[in-house]
Amino acid sequence: GENVEQHPSTLSVQEGDSAVIKCTYSDSASNYFPWYKQELGKRPQLIIDIRSNVGEKKDQRIAVTLNKTAKHFSLHITETQPEDSAVYFCAASSNFNKFYFGSGTKLNVKP
Amino acid sequence: NAGVMQNPRHLVRRRGQEARLRCSPMKGHSHVYWYRQLPEEGLKFMVYLQKENIIDESGMPKERFSAEFPKEGPSILRIQQVVRGDSAAYFCASSRAGTGAGDTQYFGPGTRLTVL
Repeated sequence: GENVEQHPSTLSVQEGDSAVIKCTYSDSASNYFPWYKQELGKRPQLIIDIRSNVGEKKDQRIAVTLNKTAKHFSLHITETQPEDSAVYFCAASSNFNKFYFGSGTKLNVKP
Repeated sequence: NAGVMQNPRHLVRRRGQEARLRCSPMKGHSHVYWYRQLPEEGLKFMVYLQKENIIDESGMPKERFSAEFPKEGPSILRIQQVVRGDSAAYFCASSRAGTGAGDTQYFGPGTRLTVL
């Protein structure tokens, strides 16, 4: 089955700096890659997603890049704000079936 | 615009009791997924259901766990004879369509199960 690895496990940045979270996957059949943000005690919320026919997608301060050959994808957050502090999870899926999640990155944005 | 709903939000059980977790998908969604999240860990897939059908239960423990999504009413995840290791947050997600259809999953608020 699919194996998704996520790095780093914790990330601390200064407000205004950029944050990058990286994930790798093992199954070349995976073709959908969502990113979720989870605040303490809350539900995971979809923040951006990318499909395998696209190399990059951007939504305001958030962007995701996908390298199918290397089987890795990354989340980029620019101009970070304290409210960006949360745990971020990447996931991979084949044809929108079950999602395989990474282990999470705890992002701390220091004011 | 009601999202995915789960109840109860918190559930405390003693070892050996049964736990029933309920999930109502978003309006118009007919596909339900259950995930388990241990503290400080990611979400692990358990089971994928459509109305009256289990599509994929490859992540579900073989014993004590079962799930259903009846024609009417919410999806239910049932854990019999709970043990301390079952303590976790259980999240339900729903999508409008499933495999191959290109629709993502939206999560409920979760049920936090504590086994004493």
